[in-house]
Amino acid sequence: QKEVEQDPGPLSVPEGAIVSLNCTYSNSAFQYFMWYRQYSRKGPELLMYTYSSGNKEDGRFTAQVDKSSKYISLFIRDSQPSDSATYLCASRGGQNFVFGPGTRLSVLP
Amino acid sequence: NAGVTQTPKFQVLKTGQSMTLQCAQDMNHNSMYWYRQDPGMGLRLIYYSASEGTTDKGEVPNGYNVSRLNKREFSLRLESAAPSQTSVYFCASRPAEGSGNTIYFGEGSWLTVV
Repeated sequence: QKEVEQDPGPLSVPEGAIVSLNCTYSNSAFQYFMWYRQYSRKGPELLMYTYSSGNKEDGRFTAQVDKSSKYISLFIRDSQPSDSATYLCASRGGQNFVFGPGTRLSVLP
Repeated sequence: NAGVTQTPKFQVLKTGQSMTLQCAQDMNHNSMYWYRQDPGMGLRLIYYSASEGTTDKGEVPNGYNVSRLNKREFSLRLESAAPSQTSVYFCASRPAEGSGNTIYFGEGSWLTVV
């Protein structure tokens, strides 16, 4: 079992839709959780960072962590075509950062 | 702001050839990382360097060597390239402990071994 699991998609939604992206993790020691966005042929860029359980909001993006169920979520409101990318969830364990395989999202105009 | 800079961006190698991927960061970060990204596999850690002068193996170190040349630079060497090393390679860096718990990536190096 991989330490971080993520549905690879692809996921297609119409412009303006609410998008829900999800990951699960297996290591109870993980305390730091991140979402990265990766455009085609580019490096991952940090989108959201949360510590422990709870919600964090940044504009149209909300990151949610539920440590009791080991579940990580990213919600995108009013999705735009420019949000079309691959979204990677990640957790930190010691010096290492463990990544899910990414979910490819397409927002259709 | 340059951030994390990788060279080369694209490279084609023949089986058995050697090459070095270069990485430099200008953010005064302590830790540096090399990942490879393959379809369906996500990002897998090859090697990391927690600080200048130290390196440690990650999940998939076989066939690779690294050098932490100084605080800014961390290179990845393929001594005898194999087709299985065809991948996209990302260098990343992280601030000192207590200054940040996220890592920042370069733009990637696309390597094809034929």
